This record gives sequence, C-alpha cells and structure tokens, in this order.
Amino acid sequence: DQQVKQNSPSLSVQEGRISILNCDYTNSMFDYFLWYKKYPAEGPTFLISISSIKDKNEDGRFTVFLNKSAKHLSLHIVPSQPGDSAVYFCAAKGRGSNYKLTFGKGTLLTVNP
Amino acid sequence: EPEVTQTPSHQVTQMGQEVILRCVPISNHLYFYWYRQILGQKVEFLVSFYNNEISEKSEIFDDQFSVERPDGSNFTLKIRSTKLEDSAMYFCASSGDPSGQETQYFGPGTRLLVL
Repeated sequence: DQQVKQNSPSLSVQEGRISILNCDYTNSMFDYFLWYKKYPAEGPTFLISISSIKDKNEDGRFTVFLNKSAKHLSLHIVPSQPGDSAVYFCAAKGRGSNYKLTFGKGTLLTVNP
Repeated sequence: EPEVTQTPSHQVTQMGQEVILRCVPISNHLYFYWYRQILGQKVEFLVSFYNNEISEKSEIFDDQFSVERPDGSNFTLKIRSTKLEDSAMYFCASSGDPSGQETQYFGPGTRLLVL
C-alpha cells in the first residue's frame, strides 16, 4: 500500500542552496497534505501543510507546492541550513476524515556546510 | 508552546506481557491518535479516538490493542500480550482545536522493545 510515495530516499545539498523534496500520491480522496521533519529517536515535527484547495503555501524558508492534476507535491527549503538535516516525511489525510494520516517513507536530507 | 508528551520514553518487556503506553495530548485538542514506526519502515496509523470512542482503526489494531482516555488529560495505548513484532516506536498525536485546525502534532515517542 503505497498511496504516498517519496521516491528519493536521500538528498544532499550545499548550505545556502535550495532543497526540493518531492512526494507523489495516488488517492484522489486526499484533501490535506503535511510535511513533517524527524530527527532520530524523536517524534515527527510539523513543518507546513496545504489544503487541496490551494496550490502553494509559504512559511518563512519553507514553501509547499501542490499540483493536483499530477498528484504531486513538493517542499522547497531556501536557503538550506545544516540544521535542516533530518528525515522529511510527506503525509496525507482523506477528505471528510479527521483521522488517519498516510505517510511516505521519508527522504533523508543532508545539508553540507 | 503546547506539546504532546509521552511516557515512558523507553520500555523493555518480555513477550506475552502487557504494556501501557501513556500520552498527554495538547490540552484543547479533540482528536487523539496512535501511530507506530517499526525500525526502517514507514510511520503507520494505528487508531484514532474522538468523543470517548474509537473513530477509526487500522488492520494492525487487533484485539490485543486497546485505547482509553481514563481522565481529562491522559490517553493510553494498551497491548495485552506483547509479541516480538510489536517492537517499534509508538507515537501519540493530537489535533482538532476548536478552530478546526487539522494538523496533527506528535509526541516524542515511546521505544518499545519486546524480548
């Protein structure tokens, strides 16, 4: 069951450059998408979200883009900082439900000084 | 800033024993969840809880699992008879403040090891 896919297990970026993390989904009933950041042995930390009625949401260095026709979303981090190094999870919630999130497998981002 | 807390941070138990994992959700949230992450795998949904009852559960959440909100602040996950494959990080989450905010906020997790 891979309704949410993060096809890149890892990404390495230089400090100050842009990091682009990608996520694809297959379930057209998803209506709310979230990005979480996770350090080892800690819980997922919420970063940014987007509703399916929007195509962009921005919060400081983080921007999420949603392309509903392609069932694709991406997280842009600019400028990237070494402290951004972590695993980033894409998650999605179904329409009409306040319940389960379906997670991708995550992408390990390494930002090199 | 309000946060979800979980205790214990680590739990080691023998196969067949009962364990109770505890969570204190964010105080004005209405929806509560348990997720787990087996080492090297995805974060997986177990159960959601609203208005003092289970609102949704996954196929993982079988009769060995139960949840309870014993008072106004705690939310617990009980595993009646633990199996080796229950070894995982267990995360509690909460969402749904009165404004309708949908974002789920996660606790730091309990690492459960079943021997």
